[in-house]
Amino acid sequence: EAGVTQSPTHLIKTRGQQATLRCSPISGHTSVYWYQQALGLGLQFLLWYDEGEERNRGNFPPRFSGRQFPNYSSELNVNALELEDSALYLCASSLRGDEQYFGPGTRLTVT
Amino acid sequence: SQKIEQNSEALNIQEGKTATLTCNYTNYSPAYLQWYRQDPGRGPVFLLLIRENEKEKRKERLKVTFDTTLKQSLFHITASQPADSATYLCALDMRRRTGRRALTFGSGTRLQVQP
Repeated sequence: EAGVTQSPTHLIKTRGQQATLRCSPISGHTSVYWYQQALGLGLQFLLWYDEGEERNRGNFPPRFSGRQFPNYSSELNVNALELEDSALYLCASSLRGDEQYFGPGTRLTVT
Repeated sequence: SQKIEQNSEALNIQEGKTATLTCNYTNYSPAYLQWYRQDPGRGPVFLLLIRENEKEKRKERLKVTFDTTLKQSLFHITASQPADSATYLCALDMRRRTGRRALTFGSGTRLQVQP
C-alpha cells in the first residue's frame, strides 16, 4: 500500500511570491492534515481537511490556505511569502482521526 | 492553552539499556496521547496510541504509560539499539479543548543510542 506522497520535495521561492504544495493521502483516508516544522522547532498544526471541507485551522494568518479535492488529495497555498515561512511542510492522512500517517514533507526555502 | 513538555536536551544511552522519555502536559487531559518517531528531514512515523482509560500499552520493545493524575506519559524502549536513535514526539488529542480533531505536538526528545 502506497504511503502519503508530497510534491515537490524542495521548493525555492522569493519573498512576496506564492507557493503551492501538494499531498496525496493513503488510499481510503479521507482526512488530510498540514503542519509546519521550522528548523529546530516542533510541528505546528496548520489545517485539517475532511471530506472536502476545512474542519479546523491552526494559529496561522489567512495567507495560508488550502483545499481538498474530490479524490481527497490536498493542496496548501502560501501567499505573499515571508522569510520566516521557510520550513518543512508536512502532510498527514488519517482514516479514523486517531493515528496520523505522514508524508516525507516539502522543504520550502524563501529567499 | 495546552503546553507539552518533553526533555529538550538529548538523551544519550548505551546500547542494550532501556531508554525512558517523558512527556508532561498542563491543563486539560486529552482523550488519548500518541508517540511518533522522526528521523532528520523526514516525516514523523506513528508508533503507539494510548487512551485515557489505559494505563499501559506495549508493542514489541516499546512501552507507553499514561498517568492522567500526574499529567504525564512515559515512553520506554527496552534493549535499545543504535537504530533507535531519532527524535521522539509526544502528541495530544485536542478534541476536549477545541471540540475538533487535531493533535498538539511536543517539541520532541532526541535519543542517541551509543554502540
